[in-house]
Amino acid sequence: GEDVEQSLFLSVREGDSSVINCTYTDSSSTYLYWYKQEPGAGLQLLTYIFSNMDMKQDQRLTVLLNKKDKHLSLRIADTQTGDSAIYFCAEGSSGGYQKVTFGTGTKLQVIP
Amino acid sequence: DSGVTQTPKHLITATGQRVTLRCSPRSGDLSVYWYQQSLDQGLQFLIQYYNGEERAKGNILERFSAQQFPDLHSELNLSSLELGDSALYFCASSVSEASYNEQFFGPGTRLTVL
Repeated sequence: GEDVEQSLFLSVREGDSSVINCTYTDSSSTYLYWYKQEPGAGLQLLTYIFSNMDMKQDQRLTVLLNKKDKHLSLRIADTQTGDSAIYFCAEGSSGGYQKVTFGTGTKLQVIP
Repeated sequence: DSGVTQTPKHLITATGQRVTLRCSPRSGDLSVYWYQQSLDQGLQFLIQYYNGEERAKGNILERFSAQQFPDLHSELNLSSLELGDSALYFCASSVSEASYNEQFFGPGTRLTVL
């Protein structure tokens, strides 16, 4: 079955770049997502990338996809305290219905 | 505010009991998903409905069931509750059942089983 893995915790200093990594197993993944969960809230989609892309940039966020290694990363430039949250990687496969598998989440702590 | 509402916000109950969690999707969304988030298991997909029909099942226990009503709201029923069922239960909705659609998450229901 599908499996998505992430490290559990990352701590960075304010102003530094954060890189959150994710690996997945489903080679038929069509879409890969990054969701953000702030304390006490539900998940919110940050960005997504199609599996035929290598990179996607959106303001401070850069997503890199290595399809050969099934590795996805999210880079946050100039990390701010407001970026402190849990970040979930997820993969979705096409095929009639949306089945999305989420990783365990990486808790990002930004130190002022 | 995602537009997805969930009630109740918190629920405290005892082992062996049965509870019902309710979700109203965003206006216009036909697909509803249920997830369980616990400390040791992360975010687990439970079940998906689209326009009233079950579409996909994940790691949902037999003691759990769900349905989506004609007005598109959904309920997740948890019975014979065990201590290990204590978790945050999220509902999410999306426009259709296609895999590229963003899922909008509700604020969650925190269930505590004592």
